[in-house]
Amino acid sequence: ETGVTQSPTHLIKTRGQQVTLRCSSQSGHNTVSWYQQALGQGPQFIFQYYREEENGRGNFPPRFSGLQFPNYSSELNVNALELDDSALYLCASSWPNTGELFFGEGSRLTVL
Amino acid sequence: GENVEQHPSTLSVQEGDSAVIKCTYSDSASNYFPWYKQELGKGPQLIIDIRSNVGEKKDQRIAVTLNKTAKHFSLHITETQPEDSAVYFCAASVTGGFKTIFGAGTRLFVKA
Repeated sequence: ETGVTQSPTHLIKTRGQQVTLRCSSQSGHNTVSWYQQALGQGPQFIFQYYREEENGRGNFPPRFSGLQFPNYSSELNVNALELDDSALYLCASSWPNTGELFFGEGSRLTVL
Repeated sequence: GENVEQHPSTLSVQEGDSAVIKCTYSDSASNYFPWYKQELGKGPQLIIDIRSNVGEKKDQRIAVTLNKTAKHFSLHITETQPEDSAVYFCAASVTGGFKTIFGAGTRLFVKA
């Protein structure tokens, strides 16, 4: 059984740039959620995708967007990067309605 | 809005002692309460969970308790070992919902 994998693991961008983060869900999972974890904080919910549709969204601006593909992998796109976007971005896959999240190791984004 | 408060933020114990982490949630609709362990450089991993129809659950050295009336839940680790050192997050969600609300985390140090 393959776990959740994320890429890239680390990246550095400058303010105003755009970034795309990628996630492959665990085998059999059709739901993918994205979380932002600032240093020393708990993960904050960004959005969830189920069957290629956004299923719910947290308190993040529209410049945070996503996609889910037919194989259930997913992308997180962030436009017009701001310094406060510097964080660990976590992808989690799950079965719908079970609650348990299976996290990847995250993509650490630094915005300069 | 929904919120999960977690205490303490840092906890240092001697190997073999017990550790207790406490959380309070605000959304009375929450009915699933997972606990995640995050080691350095890794994503959070589920260690135990409890649903609202149960007051207590135990798995070897780890136990969770839930008081729905007071909206409190706690994690108890007995006979702590150095490998228990990590950051622990409590969380709350609603079955069938799309987001999980995390506490800010407790950094546990187990001294050998």
